[in-house]
Amino acid sequence: AQTVTQSQPEMSVQEAETVTLSCTYDTSESDYYLFWYKQPPSRQMILVIRQEAYKQQNATENRFSVNFQKAAKSFSLKISDSQLGDAAMYFCAYRSDSGGSNYKLTFGKGTLLTVNP
Amino acid sequence: GAGVSQSPSNKVTEKGKDVELRCDPISGHTALYWYRQSLGQGLEFLIYFQGNSAPDKSGLPSDRFSAERTGGSVSTLTIQRTQQEDSAVYLCASSLDPGRDYGYTFGSGTRLTVV
Repeated sequence: AQTVTQSQPEMSVQEAETVTLSCTYDTSESDYYLFWYKQPPSRQMILVIRQEAYKQQNATENRFSVNFQKAAKSFSLKISDSQLGDAAMYFCAYRSDSGGSNYKLTFGKGTLLTVNP
Repeated sequence: GAGVSQSPSNKVTEKGKDVELRCDPISGHTALYWYRQSLGQGLEFLIYFQGNSAPDKSGLPSDRFSAERTGGSVSTLTIQRTQQEDSAVYLCASSLDPGRDYGYTFGSGTRLTVV
């Protein structure tokens, strides 16, 4: 079974600075997807960024980028120019590309990000 | 609808009572997932519905938990004889075609408190 580990329960960053959230995962599969989701106090999970395992190039979405190290099974999220609205719980998630998995997401326990003005 | 709707938003119930949580997915989304988010934990998969196929119930923690999806649309998660450890946020997500489309739209969840 796949597992996802987020080793930082809490992180803080100054507004306009850069912060990196860590995520490692364990799998024996070669084809899969990795996600970072943001959960604000509204509780709704919002997709931040997605990475296909077969792609070597790291995904980027505006101020958000990932460092995907497939061999090391590491998938960190970098937030540049942090804004107050970035404050939330961030979850790393894994999804198998195998239909037998029913494409369900396996989540880490989350990292609570605080942005200080 | 425009998004995934869950009701109620919050529910307080007495230990031993039964509760029903509702999820109304995005129209046309064939896949529907239920997850449980306990305090300090990530999201834990509970059950998956896809069209008219038999649901994947492998994540249900006990036989007190059940779910159904009527007409391929609205889903109801039922917890019988609630226990304090059932207190959590229950999130629902739907997807158009999870095998091809990697988007999952989540609802805002139901916070269940068992007292």
